[in-house]
Amino acid sequence: EAQVTQNPRYLITVTGKKLTVTCSQNMNHEYMSWYRQDPGLGLRQIYYSMNVEVTDKGDVPEGYKVSRKEKRNFPLILESPSPNQTSLYFCASSPQGARETQYFGPGTRLLVL
Amino acid sequence: AQSVTQLDSQVPVFEEAPVELRCNYSSSVSVYLFWYVQYPNQGLQLLLKYLSGSTLVKGINGFEAEFNKSQTSFHLRKPSVHISDTAEYFCAVIRGGGGNKLTFGTGTQLKVEL
Repeated sequence: EAQVTQNPRYLITVTGKKLTVTCSQNMNHEYMSWYRQDPGLGLRQIYYSMNVEVTDKGDVPEGYKVSRKEKRNFPLILESPSPNQTSLYFCASSPQGARETQYFGPGTRLLVL
Repeated sequence: AQSVTQLDSQVPVFEEAPVELRCNYSSSVSVYLFWYVQYPNQGLQLLLKYLSGSTLVKGINGFEAEFNKSQTSFHLRKPSVHISDTAEYFCAVIRGGGGNKLTFGTGTQLKVEL
């Protein structure tokens, strides 16, 4: 089944403790992206990647890192999480860019205490 | 800079009534426009998109939207809604010219009542 998977689905952590949220797609898509969703703010793009080893900042990249070492994986790294990074995170992928239909993962709900 | 404004945060409507969800964008260049839907506790899925060509775009589940360049709008419509259309709807925009930054609006919660 074609899908985007994210792990973990739920995570509670403390300020400053490094964490990684994994994202994987099995559709051989070139483009992958991370978004955060906050009440009243909609979704905001954090980072995106056009291909392996090619990443670029979205609108809210501060406090996040990404890497794209393999085509199917696009992990989101929070090196020193802070409470303002408490949010619902979505990973998405599309064949070749944001103009094409993006397929979203189920989301990761993160709480930083 | 580009941004997208969804004027209504919540829209209540009775089942089988028509609905329009409003979206306006601001950009000095050409744009690509999208509507995504998020059902409760799920990720987003694409309803429809405008890249070029006909300004009336038809999507899934009976939804359609019209690109109006002079009014910088891309309103979403459905002539008769169903209970299952209850969801949050997001308008999104990409600046034309090859960019891949997708900017979303703040969302409109559509609540369909019996």
